[in-house]
Amino acid sequence: EIVLTQSPGTLSLSPGERATLSCRASQSVSSSYLAWYQQKPGQAPRLLIYGASSRATGIPDRFSGSGSGTDFTLTISRLEPEDFAVYYCQQSRTFGQGTKVEIK
Amino acid sequence: EVQLVESGGGLVQPGGSLRLSCAASGFTFSSYEMNWVRQAPGKGLEWVSYISSSGSTIYYADSVKGRFTISRDNAKNSLYLQMNSLRAEDTAVYYCARGLHGSGSFDYWGQGTLVTVSS
Repeated sequence: EIVLTQSPGTLSLSPGERATLSCRASQSVSSSYLAWYQQKPGQAPRLLIYGASSRATGIPDRFSGSGSGTDFTLTISRLEPEDFAVYYCQQSRTFGQGTKVEIK
Repeated sequence: EVQLVESGGGLVQPGGSLRLSCAASGFTFSSYEMNWVRQAPGKGLEWVSYISSSGSTIYYADSVKGRFTISRDNAKNSLYLQMNSLRAEDTAVYYCARGLHGSGSFDYWGQGTLVTVSS
C-alpha cells in the first residue's frame, strides 16, 4: 500500500509570498494519478491539480504542480488571502495527511 | 451546474446502521465513476469506497470492508452507502465525490453529511 507523506505539516507565510508544498510517495507512482486539493474550514475539498501538473477547471494559474516518481510539489506563486487553507495530495485511493498554510 | 447533495447522516449507536444518499444533478450521472470519502473531526481525508459508472466494479477501504455497501441507481441519479455494524471510529463527515475521467482524482464533491456513532 502506498503511503503519501506531506511536508511541512504547517507552513507560515505572508500574503504575496511563494508557497512550496511537498508530497512524497513510499514507492514510485504514476504522475497521471497524482492530485492536489484545497480545503477550507467547514467546506468540502476542491480539486486544484490532477495528473500532477494539470490545473482543474477554474483554478488560477498561480497554482502549479510538478514532480514525478516519488516526489511531487504544489507551488502557489503568490499567496492571496483566500489561499490560506489545508492542502492534500492524493494518489488513487490514498491521501496525504495534509499541509496547513497559515498566515504569518 | 454540477451538484452533489448528501443526506442521511445523523446520530447512531455503536452496532447500528445508517444509509447515506447522494443526489446528483447537472451532469450525466450514468457516465461517471463515484466515490465516498470521509473525514473524521479534525482529521484528514480517507477514501471509503468506489463504484464504476455501471455499478459493475466496486472497491472498499479495508477499514469498512464487510460492513459498508456502495450502490447506485442511474435512473434516479443517486449514489448510496449502506453502513452496518457502525463503530465509534466511523464518526466522520461523509462526502460523495465524482471521479474525473482517467485521472483517479475527484473533481466535484458534495457538502458532506455528518455521521456520529455514539451511545
